[in-house]
Amino acid sequence: QQQVKQSPQSLIVQKGGISIINCAYENTAFDYFPWYQQFPGKGPALLIAIRPDVSEKKEGRFTISFNKSAKQFSLHIMDSQPGDSATYFCAAKLRGNKLVFGAGTILRVKS
Amino acid sequence: GAVVSQHPSWVICKSGTSVKIECRSLDFQATTMFWYRQFPKQSLMLMATSNEGSKATYEQGVEKDKFLINHASLTLSTLTVTSAHPEDSSFYICSGLGYLDTQYFGPGTRLTVL
Repeated sequence: QQQVKQSPQSLIVQKGGISIINCAYENTAFDYFPWYQQFPGKGPALLIAIRPDVSEKKEGRFTISFNKSAKQFSLHIMDSQPGDSATYFCAAKLRGNKLVFGAGTILRVKS
Repeated sequence: GAVVSQHPSWVICKSGTSVKIECRSLDFQATTMFWYRQFPKQSLMLMATSNEGSKATYEQGVEKDKFLINHASLTLSTLTVTSAHPEDSSFYICSGLGYLDTQYFGPGTRLTVL
């Protein structure tokens, strides 16, 4: 019940296209949903995050859509660029501030 | 803002030796820090939660006597891998809990045990 299921495992998008990564959860105790970007050999960097009382949040080219009733949330990267090529992790926070991470999505943006 | 550093960035050691990894929050105070390990092409697995001035809380299956965590100040937590073996080789990442309960991650430490 503490899992966060992330899909797809990998994704190839043309430059300028939209990248979409999806996550689903079961535990309704999760109260915060961040997305992290990780480049090889580096630590994860916070991209954008949302709380369950909001259905959408946009920051620049990155948008989180959140569907509380379906227990799903997704990351949209608009106008994807080769520099966006990285591994993306969704996560969900439990009380006590523990994060449960999805399995990750390897994004490759082709120029 | 919200920068976390780790030292060293990579370390190679012989089997049976101990290795200490430092995690510092540079521009904020982190009363809570987390330690993760990440194997190649896998997700982050939480090892333990440390709170300043108290004992760390370890996740199930993590040996607390092998992975010693000290959180002596609001800006420094250390992870010591004792009697390291090749199976301990991994990427170790710390994070500090900052504003609005957001976790800010360090750059990671690559440990290779020969």
